[in-house]
Amino acid sequence: QVTLKESGPVLVKPTETLTLTCTVSGFSLSNTRMGVSWIRQPPGKALEWLAHIFSNDEKSFSTSLKSRLTISKDTSKSQVVLTMTNMDPVDTATYYCARIIGVAAADYWGHGTLVTVSS
Amino acid sequence: DIQMTQSPSSLSASVGDRVTITCRASQSIRNYLNWYQQKPGKAPKFLIYAASSLQSGVPSRFSGSGSGTDFTLTISSLQPEDFATYYCQQSYSTPLTFGGGTKVEIK
Repeated sequence: QVTLKESGPVLVKPTETLTLTCTVSGFSLSNTRMGVSWIRQPPGKALEWLAHIFSNDEKSFSTSLKSRLTISKDTSKSQVVLTMTNMDPVDTATYYCARIIGVAAADYWGHGTLVTVSS
Repeated sequence: DIQMTQSPSSLSASVGDRVTITCRASQSIRNYLNWYQQKPGKAPKFLIYAASSLQSGVPSRFSGSGSGTDFTLTISSLQPEDFATYYCQQSYSTPLTFGGGTKVEIK
């Protein structure tokens, strides 16, 4: 059974750095043609893809957020970590991690974690 | 970046109606198009990949078509559990991008 679970702070202050962890089970981060994406959704708005990392360590980032994002994985811990620097209230959103399969589709998603940016 | 535009942004329909949602890409993405369904307060659910292939477990009333820049998601006979927001997503090139969503509401 494939599951993903996001964890991290629920509240961050403006200018702080957000660190989110996605812990996966039911598959390995070393599986060929699989990876993990981070996707966010501001309240009442559309989905926005942020970043992904594949088993071969290939990474990709949103063009508009590239300078603020890093993504890494620890295969032994089955975890993918996303960091976003210089947080702003407009970054308030539910952040999801999702498994990415070969066709670059997100077939399994975590429940999401709401992150609020406020002083 | 490839821009994905969905229309309409919302629609009202009745149970049993045939519903069609359109997704247009800003450049050709061949058939690298996926669809998701999202209900309020829930994570999206994966419905269709490669424009027309149904993910395992998805009811056959859902279908997808298209290639190049124009795609459609069709629900042949709308059921009560289908009232939700639907998103398309291109997987032709990175960065991956989503459409703005189409909310299907009860008439």
